[in-house]
Amino acid sequence: AQKVTQAQTEISVVEKEDVTLDCVYETRDTTYYLFWYKQPPSGELVFLIRRNSFDEQNEISGRYSWNFQKSTSSFNFTITASQVVDSAVYFCALVQAAGNKLTFGGGTRVLVKP
Amino acid sequence: DTGVSQNPRHKITKRGQNVTFRCDPISEHNRLYWYRQTLGQGPEFLTYFQNEAQLEKSRLLSDRFSAERPKGSFSTLEIQRTEQGDSAMYLCASRLAGQYQETQYFGPGTRLLVL
Repeated sequence: AQKVTQAQTEISVVEKEDVTLDCVYETRDTTYYLFWYKQPPSGELVFLIRRNSFDEQNEISGRYSWNFQKSTSSFNFTITASQVVDSAVYFCALVQAAGNKLTFGGGTRVLVKP
Repeated sequence: DTGVSQNPRHKITKRGQNVTFRCDPISEHNRLYWYRQTLGQGPEFLTYFQNEAQLEKSRLLSDRFSAERPKGSFSTLEIQRTEQGDSAMYLCASRLAGQYQETQYFGPGTRLLVL
């Protein structure tokens, strides 16, 4: 069985501060994929980033960066210089390489104040 | 380049009524997924299709739920004899089936309220 845990339920920051979202996962599979999705108030889940389990290189994409550590089963996500438009619920998700269903965490609500 | 679309966006119904939702995936995507999201929770998998074949169903999908994808394009999700516990956001996603685990892209969802 797979499990994704997002311990932070809500984070509030002031614009331009950095925000780091924690994600810890459990899986018995050696090959899997991890994702971050953003859900604004409109409700649509917007894909942000993905990482496969055999590539631990951390990357930066614009204001987004992620830190994948297989040894601690963590896949943390950082928004640099936050903006009001970043206010949303962020979900971490996991899927087996040979599987189909995404297993989501409970989400972290981010509120960026002007 | 259109994304996944879902209709209706909102549905209010009375307990005991039947409802049907539609999902139109991204045109070249052969896999289509349904998820349910209750308030304050992450989405939970319900079922998925490869082309017109329904290949997996979650235990969450009771006998009152049925999903179809008759021509391998759009899909419908029907809930019969709705209950208040069915109130949730129903999300559809699609992706390409390939050698690697391609990203699932989601639609805007259908928000169901059962009174």
